[in-house]
Amino acid sequence: AQSVTQPDIHITVSEGASLELRCNYSYGATPYLFWYVQSPGQGLQLLLKYFSGDTLVQGIKGFEAEFKRSQSSFNLRKPSVHWSDAAEYFCAGSSGGYNKLIFGAGTRLAVHP
Amino acid sequence: EAGVAQSPRYKIIEKRQSVAFWCNPISGHATLYWYQQILGQGPKLLIQFQNNGVVDDSQLPKDRFSAERLKGVDSTLKIQPAKLEDSAVYLCASSLAGLSNGAFFGQGTRLTVV
Repeated sequence: AQSVTQPDIHITVSEGASLELRCNYSYGATPYLFWYVQSPGQGLQLLLKYFSGDTLVQGIKGFEAEFKRSQSSFNLRKPSVHWSDAAEYFCAGSSGGYNKLIFGAGTRLAVHP
Repeated sequence: EAGVAQSPRYKIIEKRQSVAFWCNPISGHATLYWYQQILGQGPKLLIQFQNNGVVDDSQLPKDRFSAERLKGVDSTLKIQPAKLEDSAVYLCASSLAGLSNGAFFGQGTRLTVV
């Protein structure tokens, strides 16, 4: 079955430290992959997306993600975290442009000053 | 560019009552989605429209939930009668045509059923 898994429920990092949030997918072919961020009481904001081509994609707010077919992963990274990055992050995937977008359970990021 | 508009932002109802949520997508977006997000979980797709046709409603509890997008623009999601387990945030999203440019979300409606 098609699925997206985020292994880490909660991550805490210090401000200025680097960040990597994990995402694994289960799709037959190369899926459409997305990362979204959700601040408390807000909707989801699109950070970046991958369909094909260059496996390292750049997004907004200094985030990037790397698609690794061999590991079925699409991990989100940021070299230096700011306190304002504290939020919940969701990885999502779809088998095609008009197909269902499936979300992972999310990773809650806390940032220590 | 205006984003996806949803109303109301918050709603509290008693079980067995009915409730309706409204969504106005980004202008020109042909695809509209309704998601249910239960506290502590990722969003779950309830229904997906392409213009005014249903693309996927496989996870919509059709005995109590209904949705329409009559003119291919705004949409209404209804629950009748509500159950305690329907307490969640209901998110509306839209995209230009499928997911090629990503889906853009509204702020959601937080429903509490007591």
